[in-house]
Amino acid sequence: DTGVSQNPRHKITKRGQNVTFRCDPISEHNRLYWYRQTLGQGPEFLTYFQNEAQLEKSRLLSDRFSAERPKGSFSTLEIQRTEQGDSAMYLCASSPVGKTETQYFGPGTRLLVL
Amino acid sequence: GEDVEQSLFLSVREGDSSVINCTYTDSSSTYLYWYKQEPGAGLQLLTYIFSNMDMKQDQRLTVLLNKKDKHLSLRIADTQTGDSAIYFCAEKVRGSASKIIFGSGTRLSIRP
Repeated sequence: DTGVSQNPRHKITKRGQNVTFRCDPISEHNRLYWYRQTLGQGPEFLTYFQNEAQLEKSRLLSDRFSAERPKGSFSTLEIQRTEQGDSAMYLCASSPVGKTETQYFGPGTRLLVL
Repeated sequence: GEDVEQSLFLSVREGDSSVINCTYTDSSSTYLYWYKQEPGAGLQLLTYIFSNMDMKQDQRLTVLLNKKDKHLSLRIADTQTGDSAIYFCAEKVRGSASKIIFGSGTRLSIRP
C-alpha cells in the first residue's frame, strides 16, 4: 500500500493556459475526492467519485474545472483557461469500501498561475 | 450553515501537553476528525470520533467531544518537536455522502 499519489507535485503556468492533474488512489479504494487548499486555510471540497461515477460537485467547481475517473481507478482534474485565483494546493483523497468516514490524502499538487 | 472554527496558533514547551480546541456549528455532524499537515505535505488522518462518543484515546492522543457545546479538543501528551505542524479539525455532515468540512487549522509550535 503506497498511499495516494498525485502528479505533478508542482505546476507553474501562465494565466489562460490549461492544466491537468492526476491522482492515483490507494488500491481498491472506491471513493476518490478532490479538495482545494489556499494559503492559510483548510481544504475545501470540490468533488467526489464513487468508482467512475461523479456523485457530488461543489459550487466551487466552476465550468472551467472538470474531473474524470474513467475506469474507476485514477482520476484527473483539468482546469481550463487558468486564472490567478486558481493558484492553490489541489489535494486528492480516497476512502475504502465500507469505511467512507476515513479519507486518506495525497501530498497534493501545488499550482501557481502567473 | 456548516462552519468549523479553530484558534490559529498554539505554542507549548517540549514535554508539556498540547490542547487544540475546535468548535463546529452543525449539530448533525456524524464524524469529527483531526488531521495533521506538515510543511509542504498532504494531510495525515490522526484520529476521528463518532458523534455518539465523548472520548477517544490513542497512544499520546486524546480526543474529547462535547456535543452539547459543539466543542472538540485534541490533547497531545508529552509534546515533541516532531509534533510541530498544522492541525485541522473537520466534520462530516449528515446528509452528505462525502463532504468533510475543515477548519482553518491551528499551527502548533514547540519551544525547547
